[in-house]
Amino acid sequence: DADVTQTPRNRITKTGKRIMLECSQTKGHDRMYWYRQDPGLGLQLIYYSFDVKDINKGEISDGYSVSRQAQAKFSLSLESAIPNQTALYFCATSGAGGGYNEQFFGPGTRLTVL
Amino acid sequence: DAKTTQPNSMESNEEEPVHLPCNHSTISGTDYIHWYRQLPSQGPEYVIHGLTSNVNNRMASLAIAEDRKSSTLILHRATLRDAAVYYCIGNNAGNMLTFGGGTRLMVKP
Repeated sequence: DADVTQTPRNRITKTGKRIMLECSQTKGHDRMYWYRQDPGLGLQLIYYSFDVKDINKGEISDGYSVSRQAQAKFSLSLESAIPNQTALYFCATSGAGGGYNEQFFGPGTRLTVL
Repeated sequence: DAKTTQPNSMESNEEEPVHLPCNHSTISGTDYIHWYRQLPSQGPEYVIHGLTSNVNNRMASLAIAEDRKSSTLILHRATLRDAAVYYCIGNNAGNMLTFGGGTRLMVKP
């Protein structure tokens, strides 16, 4: 079984709709991250959480919100989706900080906003 | 943030070694150098990381310059399955990753 899972894997929605992307992990990590990837580009950090009570904005948080329901679950919401939020979304987890811990990524969610 | 510079693309022949360069002249003394790769239609996967010394693992080797301003990821025998985008990233104590554009590696049979 995959250590980091994301649901849904694909989603098509309309402008103005609220949508939630979910991430679950079985690695027992405290740190979780949400990234966005536009075609042909690298990943950009949206939000990150170092534990259940600690949530921080990343580079591109406008238009997004998150919820850390438990150590294992981290959800990303688009309150009112717009077409330029069409992208691939990845969740990741890591162990404690220190710069030497790698991040483990989920398979991604492909979101299309019409 | 430690900015990294990589070539946009590289080509290799199958079963030959590949050396993927990365410049990170602004890296701080405590930033680890991480390499990830992203296969088509998949999330990034960790390849290797190091601080000062060269590192080897089952996937690759990492050669770090003595001044730490550059590093090279070495795939000893490229296979078709190694075709991917390779990202070189400076990872600070907060474990924040800043992805650049990476190097797209193409492997020819």
